[in-house]
Amino acid sequence: NAGVTQTPKFQVLKTGQSMTLQCAQDMNHNSMYWYRQDPGMGLRLIYYSASEGTTDKGEVPNGYNVSRLNKREFSLRLESAAPSQTSVYFCASSPTTTNGKLFFGSGTQLSVL
Amino acid sequence: TQLLEQSPQFLSIQEGENLTVYCNSSSVFSSLQWYRQEPGEGPVLLVTVVTGGEVKKLKRLTFQFGDARKDSSLHITAAQPGDTGLYLCAGTISNFGNEKLTFGTGTRLTIIP
Repeated sequence: NAGVTQTPKFQVLKTGQSMTLQCAQDMNHNSMYWYRQDPGMGLRLIYYSASEGTTDKGEVPNGYNVSRLNKREFSLRLESAAPSQTSVYFCASSPTTTNGKLFFGSGTQLSVL
Repeated sequence: TQLLEQSPQFLSIQEGENLTVYCNSSSVFSSLQWYRQEPGEGPVLLVTVVTGGEVKKLKRLTFQFGDARKDSSLHITAAQPGDTGLYLCAGTISNFGNEKLTFGTGTRLTIIP
């Protein structure tokens, strides 16, 4: 009954370091998403993958890359972390992109010093 | 400019009281979702409303979609400490086959025992 699993739960980086956030879902969903959540800004879409083999930019894609490794896994990479990327990151999945019914992971709290 | 405005931003009330929180927009939504998020966790879907004027009940929670599908409200009867959390609305806008999901910034609700 895992749903959407994100790792790591917490991470501290220095400016310029790189890292990859991992996400996997076991619900056989077609669509997967990466959001960031900042105080007063709500959830903002970074990238999404409507189906296996496709990825598209969301509202705030700069500084990030993604890989839809297979139907289950969708990773988010920060190539050169910046303090502005300090945030809580959420991965989500849904059966399709059209119904707004998202299932979220428990988040990664990232601090960039 | 935030597409979805939620009010109030913060609400703190005594256990047993009733409350209503609002989600407003100038855009027409094809569907609207309400999520609840607890500290350290991702948002969890509570309900989806699709039809203008639709009312859905989930135990002590009543959700209403505006007739024009531009706004929604969440009413909680006899609030309990377990209702504490961040309540997010999210709306889907359909534009020539393109679906866009937007989240509001949320209402942070605290129920005082």
